[in-house]
Amino acid sequence: DGGITQSPKYLFRKEGQNVTLSCEQNLNHDAMYWYRQDPGQGLRLIYYSQIVNDFQKGDIAEGYSVSREKKESFPLTVTSAQKNPTAFYLCASSTDRGTGELFFGEGSRLTVL
Amino acid sequence: AQSVAQPEDQVNVAEGNPLTVKCTYSVSGNPYLFWYVQYPNRGLQFLLKYITGDNLVKGSYGFEAEFNKSQTSFHLKKPSALVSDSALYFCAVRDHLLRHMDTGRRALTFGSGTRLQVQP
Repeated sequence: DGGITQSPKYLFRKEGQNVTLSCEQNLNHDAMYWYRQDPGQGLRLIYYSQIVNDFQKGDIAEGYSVSREKKESFPLTVTSAQKNPTAFYLCASSTDRGTGELFFGEGSRLTVL
Repeated sequence: AQSVAQPEDQVNVAEGNPLTVKCTYSVSGNPYLFWYVQYPNRGLQFLLKYITGDNLVKGSYGFEAEFNKSQTSFHLKKPSALVSDSALYFCAVRDHLLRHMDTGRRALTFGSGTRLQVQP
């Protein structure tokens, strides 16, 4: 079945450590996205990529980094520069058409101790 | 810029009664509008979308939404609520003009979410 796989589902890290969240899709979608979800704030866009080897900052990119070396993969690194990294992180993908809906993974919950 | 507002943090309804979850939007061009549902600790599931055409859009699980251009609204509705409909609902928008002004920016902008509680 086609879909988006995020891993790990739960992650605990000490303050000051970098962590990388994995996102893989087999939907053959060109576009991929990372959103952050905090209670009461909805989803906020971190980074997005419309094509391999290209990505753009979203609304809250500070303290995060991404890469897009393969069409199927869009990993997100939460660096030590991110001041408040504890959150639920959602990866999504879509066709490159403006009318296409986003397909989401199951999310990764990061807790920084 | 594109934005969306969900004015109610929570909506309570009795099972069997009709439900409405409100959404208003702001865009420069024409809107592409979406509704998603999220269950606890899960990703978002797509319910329905409005792109063009008929103002009443039907989607998954018996949900529908009505596009109202004059009121810039896209309210989610269901004629008869089920306890299993209890979840977090998100409205989202994409401005079709962004395709031409900024070809890199086709991400959706989401509202803050509305928690739907259906009582037995």
